[in-house]
Amino acid sequence: EADIYQTPRYLVIGTGKKITLECSQTMGHDKMYWYQQDPGMELHLIHYSYGVNSTEKGDLSSESTVSRIRTEHFPLTLESARPSHTSQYLCASSDTGIINSPLHFGNGTRLTVT
Amino acid sequence: GDSVTQMEGPVTLSEEACLTINCTYTATGYPSLFWYVQYPGEGLQLLLKATKADDKGSNKGFEATYRKETTSFHLEKGSVQVSDSAVYFCFPPFGSSNTGKLIFGQGTTLQVKP
Repeated sequence: EADIYQTPRYLVIGTGKKITLECSQTMGHDKMYWYQQDPGMELHLIHYSYGVNSTEKGDLSSESTVSRIRTEHFPLTLESARPSHTSQYLCASSDTGIINSPLHFGNGTRLTVT
Repeated sequence: GDSVTQMEGPVTLSEEACLTINCTYTATGYPSLFWYVQYPGEGLQLLLKATKADDKGSNKGFEATYRKETTSFHLEKGSVQVSDSAVYFCFPPFGSSNTGKLIFGQGTTLQVKP
């Protein structure tokens, strides 16, 4: 059973606020990812990490930033939220030691910026 | 470049109908292949996988066969239930373990009516 947790599940905030979406996994996975899911359900990779102190931008341009100070923790931060950031954000992790290992997903954070 | 194409949705079926969701991909090398399912309000869950050509993955009555010659991994179920209503994602994890870029198909929404 996968153990990857995202908080909060739902967040409604005003424009201009700084927010951090939390993601933690207890499986010891080196690889972690953030996906943004649009209303049409398509997933867009916005950030990923191979391990501690490693972060890369994904395919979709994003104004968010991430950090990876500990293996188990991969938070995503928006310095100044805007209505265009309203979306579902999904965090995932995978095991580097297994070739083509599957991703394990959290339940997501649904963000609404008013 | 690497890509994945999924059958467009939404797909609407009556209970006990047969289901096929097509998925084809182009990739360098021959990755493992996965199908994920996303139930309303949740993150993605691994539904089934196949690790090499001619492998058949199966779970919860769903099946998919890894067809190397046609580069396809179509999802099938002989008799769908209302509880199968969800979004289904085909996922060949492209790229080597060094790139970390993992791209999903666009998702296919399935709605099963009683």
